[in-house]
Amino acid sequence: GAVVSQHPSWVICKSGTSVKIECRSLDFQATTMFWYRQFPKQSLMLMATSNEGSKATYEQGVEKDKFLINHASLTLSTLTVTSAHPEDSSFYICSAGGDRSNQPQHFGDGTRLSIL
Amino acid sequence: EDQVTQSPEALRLQEGESSSLNCSYTVSGLRGLFWYRQDPGKGPEFLFTLYSAGEEKEKERLKATLTKKESFLHITAPKPEDSATYLCAVRVAYGGATNKLIFGTGTLLAVQP
Repeated sequence: GAVVSQHPSWVICKSGTSVKIECRSLDFQATTMFWYRQFPKQSLMLMATSNEGSKATYEQGVEKDKFLINHASLTLSTLTVTSAHPEDSSFYICSAGGDRSNQPQHFGDGTRLSIL
Repeated sequence: EDQVTQSPEALRLQEGESSSLNCSYTVSGLRGLFWYRQDPGKGPEFLFTLYSAGEEKEKERLKATLTKKESFLHITAPKPEDSATYLCAVRVAYGGATNKLIFGTGTLLAVQP
């Protein structure tokens, strides 16, 4: 089945640091990838849709300059949390697939980000 | 406004005790309803896709059904390894031909031996 790999799985860093998270589709090409954020005991909230070769589409309330998204190839999207602060600590999950077809989105295993 | 509501929030079952989880939705244009399983610290794992009222899908002890307003995930004779959070999501149009998923808050299932 479709596999989505996310790296790193866990990051701890100091306030003010920028952190990059990678999302790769391992066995299929994805023109669109999605980035979600999940707080403890809450559901997934879509942050942005990452489009290969063009600008990402951000959900209302998500700061574009804080969460930089780059989708440079059909198998890789990156999310950079710039100048991270403790309130940015969360579980970030990416997905790929299911954007225009009848196929489901497949998810990575998430990145636990902790800002001290 | 597109909305997905799951109930109950949490469910505790004894091993072998069958039950159902509910997902009700209000969307302007449904392009599929999805069930996922999420284990702690992991991303969601795809279970089922349903597209039209009356459709049913089965996988081992799980069976998903769909009506025009809700979906049920039936768990028959559950085992402890079925313990997880079960998420329901609806796919809606999102500008042009792109779709997006709207998730419910999930049902945390605990199956005790």
